Amino acid sequence: KQEVTQIPAALSVPEGENLVLNCSFTDSAIYNLQWFRQDPGKGLTSLLLIQSSQREQTSGRLNASLDKSSGRSTLYIAASQPGDSATYLCAVSAGGYSTLTFGKGTMLLVSP
Amino acid sequence: DAGVTQSPTHLIKTRGQQVTLRCSPKSGHDTVSWYQQALGQGPQFIFQYYEEEERQRGNFPDRFSGHQFPNYSSELNVNALLLGDSALYLCASRRQGPQYFGPGTRLTVL
Repeated sequence: KQEVTQIPAALSVPEGENLVLNCSFTDSAIYNLQWFRQDPGKGLTSLLLIQSSQREQTSGRLNASLDKSSGRSTLYIAASQPGDSATYLCAVSAGGYSTLTFGKGTMLLVSP
Repeated sequence: DAGVTQSPTHLIKTRGQQVTLRCSPKSGHDTVSWYQQALGQGPQFIFQYYEEEERQRGNFPDRFSGHQFPNYSSELNVNALLLGDSALYLCASRRQGPQYFGPGTRLTVL
C-alpha cells in the first residue's frame, strides 16, 4: 500500500526566505507526482506535476524535483511571500486511472 | 470555462441521516473522482466514475455510494451518517490528463 509522508508538518518563516518542503513515498512504482496548494477550507490548486520519467519541473518561484528510485520529492519555494501561506500537499499517482494518494501536507506561514 | 463545480458549499446533518453531494466536471472531462478530507489530513480517495460505472474504489464502506450521469456529472451519497463523516468532500475531474479539483463541500455531522 502506497504511503506518502510530508516533512515538516508545519513551517514558519520570515518573508524573503528560500524554503524546501519534503515528500517521501514508499512505493517507487509511480506514474506521476503532483504538488498542490490548499488555502484554509478551500479546494486544491495544482502547482506542479512531474511525470515519472522527469527529474524536475519549474513554475515561477517554484521548483519541484523527483527522485523516484529513493522515493523522494522536494518543493523549493524561492523568495517566499506572505501570499505563499497555505498548506502544501504532495500526491502520487500509481497508474492510468490517476487516483491520487496524498500526504497530510505541510502548513506554511510566511510572516511579513 | 467554469471548472469543476460542487454543490452545496456547506451542509449540516445529524447522525443517521442521508446526504447527497453533487459535482459538475470541467468541460470536456469524462472521469470524476471523489475524495474525503478530514480536518488536518490529506484527501482520501473514495471512488472514481467513468462511463457511468464505478471504475475504482478506495477503502470506504458501502454507506458511500455514487452515480455518474450521461452528462458526466456525478453524485456522492452517504447513508447512515456518523460523526466521523464530517469532512471536506472534494470532487476531481479529468480526461486523459491531470485531475482538476473543485472547491469542495463541507459536511458537518452533529
